[in-house]
Amino acid sequence: AQTVTQSQPEMSVQEAETVTLSCTYDTSESDYYLFWYKQPPSRQMILVIRQEAYKQQNATENRFSVNFQKAAKSFSLKISDSQLGDAAMYFCAYRPIQGAQKLVFGQGTRLTINP
Amino acid sequence: ETGVTQSPTHLIKTRGQQVTLRCSSQSGHNTVSWYQQALGQGPQFIFQYYREEENGRGNFPPRFSGLQFPNYSSELNVNALELDDSALYLCASSPRLDNEQFFGPGTRLTVL
Repeated sequence: AQTVTQSQPEMSVQEAETVTLSCTYDTSESDYYLFWYKQPPSRQMILVIRQEAYKQQNATENRFSVNFQKAAKSFSLKISDSQLGDAAMYFCAYRPIQGAQKLVFGQGTRLTINP
Repeated sequence: ETGVTQSPTHLIKTRGQQVTLRCSSQSGHNTVSWYQQALGQGPQFIFQYYREEENGRGNFPPRFSGLQFPNYSSELNVNALELDDSALYLCASSPRLDNEQFFGPGTRLTVL
């Protein structure tokens, strides 16, 4: 069974600084998707960034980028120029390509932005 | 375009009761997935429906059941509620099986 592990329950960063959230996963599949979701206090899960395992190039979305290390099964999220609105729970998630398209989530990292 | 909506927002039930949660998928989406998120945890996959058929189920007992209707909206039913069923229940829809899932705001269920 696939598992996703986020080893940092909480992180904090000064506004305008850069922070990196860690995620590791375990799977025997060679093709899959990885995601980072943001869940603010409003509870609605919002997709931040997505990475296809077959792509070697790391995904980037504005201030958000990932460091995808397939051999190490590592998928970290870097947030540059942190803003107050970035404060939220961040979840790393895995989704297989075959079978049910279910998302397997990690336990989450609570990110606090200090003004 | 209306996003994914869920009802009710909050619900309080007592142990042993039954509950039905509802989800309206985003327009044009034929796939709905349900997740349970306990306090302080990541969401756990309950099941997925694709074109009114169940397309995969997580490690949840049979008292968790679901339906998808011809308009692709969906229901999650939980029988014989237990205290551990207290959680945020999230619904997500996608336009196809292999597409990005869009989440609703969730239903907070409290079992007393």
